Amino acid sequence: GAVVSQHPSRVICKSGTSVKIECRSLDFQATTMFWYRQFPKQSLMLMATSNEGSKATYEQGVEKDKFLINHASLTLSTLTVTSAHPEDSSFYICSARDFGKNTEAFFGQGTRLTVV
Amino acid sequence: DAKTTQPTSMDCAEGRAANLPCNHSTISGNEYVYWYRQIHSQGPQYIIHGLKNNETNEMASLIITEDRKSSTLILPHATLRDTAVYYCIVRVPYNFNKFYFGSGTKLNVKP
Repeated sequence: GAVVSQHPSRVICKSGTSVKIECRSLDFQATTMFWYRQFPKQSLMLMATSNEGSKATYEQGVEKDKFLINHASLTLSTLTVTSAHPEDSSFYICSARDFGKNTEAFFGQGTRLTVV
Repeated sequence: DAKTTQPTSMDCAEGRAANLPCNHSTISGNEYVYWYRQIHSQGPQYIIHGLKNNETNEMASLIITEDRKSSTLILPHATLRDTAVYYCIVRVPYNFNKFYFGSGTKLNVKP
């Protein structure tokens, strides 16, 4: 199946700094990617929809100025957690679907962010 | 997207079939049933999806009732590596539609 890759898989950062997470579709084009956040023992929560060449759309309650999304090409979306705080520590997961095909979504392996 | 209801957890003996139920009584005619699973600290993995006919692939079988108000995911011979949280999602499969995850079923496969 199609492969979605996230980088890094783990990151530790200091409070107040910014962290960028990359999501790449390796063998297909993805005009749309999705970003999720998952806290321990909870389900995945959709944060935003990343659209190639246009602004991301955010779910209710998600701060767009804190979670900056850039989808500059058909194979890469980035999520930047700005001015990170310990409460932003979480498992961040991206998802992408093959452009033009009504198929299942593929998920990255996730990024474990720890803010100290 | 229609809401789904799944049991919180289930146990299954290794080597036996695992049958995971999902209720989706408000499903509409053009919505598909998707199943994903998430092994601890990994991203979700696609398993199978279907509209109204039963489906089978190398991982599992999906049985959808005739009225489409419920479905069952069957892992024919569960192994310890099948221990995971299994999510049933109902949605229309258009390119830009989002996946919303419910709480899922934690399947514990025991030796």
